Amino acid sequence: AQKVTQAQTEISVVEKEDVTLDCVYETRDTTYYLFWYKQPPSGELVFLIRRNSFDEQNEISGRYSWNFQKSTSSFNFTITASQVVDSAVYFCALSEAGGSARQLTFGSGTQLTVLP
Amino acid sequence: SAVISQKPSRDICQRGTSLTIQCQVDSQVTMMFWYRQQPGQSLTLIATANQGSEATYESGFVIDKFPISRPNLTFSTLTVSNMSPEDSSIYLCSVRVNTEAFFGQGTRLTVV
Repeated sequence: AQKVTQAQTEISVVEKEDVTLDCVYETRDTTYYLFWYKQPPSGELVFLIRRNSFDEQNEISGRYSWNFQKSTSSFNFTITASQVVDSAVYFCALSEAGGSARQLTFGSGTQLTVLP
Repeated sequence: SAVISQKPSRDICQRGTSLTIQCQVDSQVTMMFWYRQQPGQSLTLIATANQGSEATYESGFVIDKFPISRPNLTFSTLTVSNMSPEDSSIYLCSVRVNTEAFFGQGTRLTVV
């Protein structure tokens, strides 16, 4: 069975602060995929990143960066110089190998509030 | 990639009634997934719909409450039957294309 844990339920920061959202996962598969999604109050899921288990390179996209550590089964997400528009719920998710036949298992989400 | 059109985007329904949610995908996909997100909660898989066979339901979800149709490779519906206020949630459909995951815009359902 697979499991995703986002221990931080809510985080509040002041604009321009850096913030890291934690994600820890469990899976017995050696091939798997990790995702991060942003869910603004409107409710739609905005895709941020997908990472496969063989690619441990960290990734940076603008103010966003991701740190994948297989040794600790973690896939943490950092927002640098946060902005009010970053306020949303962020979900980490896991999919085991199997392509189109596999659903995603989501963590419980972290509510990020960025204060002006 | 895949673009999913989901409707309605929101609805307010009376208890005891039913609502059918539709998802249209712009390409053919083998499986479609239906998720529920209760207020303040994470997404939980309701069922997986494969064209030409009955949907596979997760523990805690039953066909009588959430009947699903999958008439072809680009379309699926989820019905929420005999609704109660506890069914107030966001419902999302999803497809996988290779390793990517795509989601509809969600249906925000309020049962009064």
